[in-house]
Amino acid sequence: DAGVIQSPRHEVTEMGQEVTLRCKPISGHNSLFWYRQTMMRGLELLIYFNNNVPIDDSGMPEDRFSAKMPNASFSTLKIQPSEPRDSAVYFCASSASGNQPQHFGDGTRLSIL
Amino acid sequence: DAKTTQPTSMDCAEGRAANLPCNHSTISGNEYVYWYRQIHSQGPQYIIHGLKNNETNEMASLIITEDRKSSTLILPHATLRDTAVYYCIVREYGNKLVFGAGTILRVKS
Repeated sequence: DAGVIQSPRHEVTEMGQEVTLRCKPISGHNSLFWYRQTMMRGLELLIYFNNNVPIDDSGMPEDRFSAKMPNASFSTLKIQPSEPRDSAVYFCASSASGNQPQHFGDGTRLSIL
Repeated sequence: DAKTTQPTSMDCAEGRAANLPCNHSTISGNEYVYWYRQIHSQGPQYIIHGLKNNETNEMASLIITEDRKSSTLILPHATLRDTAVYYCIVREYGNKLVFGAGTILRVKS
């Protein structure tokens, strides 16, 4: 079975540029989560969707960050404009409903110069 | 969601059982205990979860005390590949996971 697929795996760009991270959840899962991990702050939840609808975006750091889920098989996390402090590993996870476990992708390692 | 307390780090000899404790003294009746681990530069990996009964799967066993205020994750025969950060999380049905600092487990040959 294919797991959660994230792209790109690595992204290096200059500050001010727009960055788009992509995620394909596991087929049949109806919840999708975006996390960010840094040495200083650990693993933080940014936003999660249930049935393609954003449920909790309280972890989104500021208006430069936006996330969409146009359908059940695709989500994007966009940063515009990007800043060096956005450098981190971004993980996407998906789960079936209720108390089912979340399954994580391999992450996107983002470096903003 | 209730807060958890875990030791910062632990060592375990290869081939021995690794017992990772977690304290969750403020857990409520409808909160589950979840364990995840993160091997260096990979995404977190689900291990096991439970409500009040002990649970076992192909990866590990989860022992929850009768009062549910603490639990222990057991890796029965640790290998070098089990070296990772282990996260204990309590979560109410349908709620989001909140990751703490976890326990760094080092398995040594």
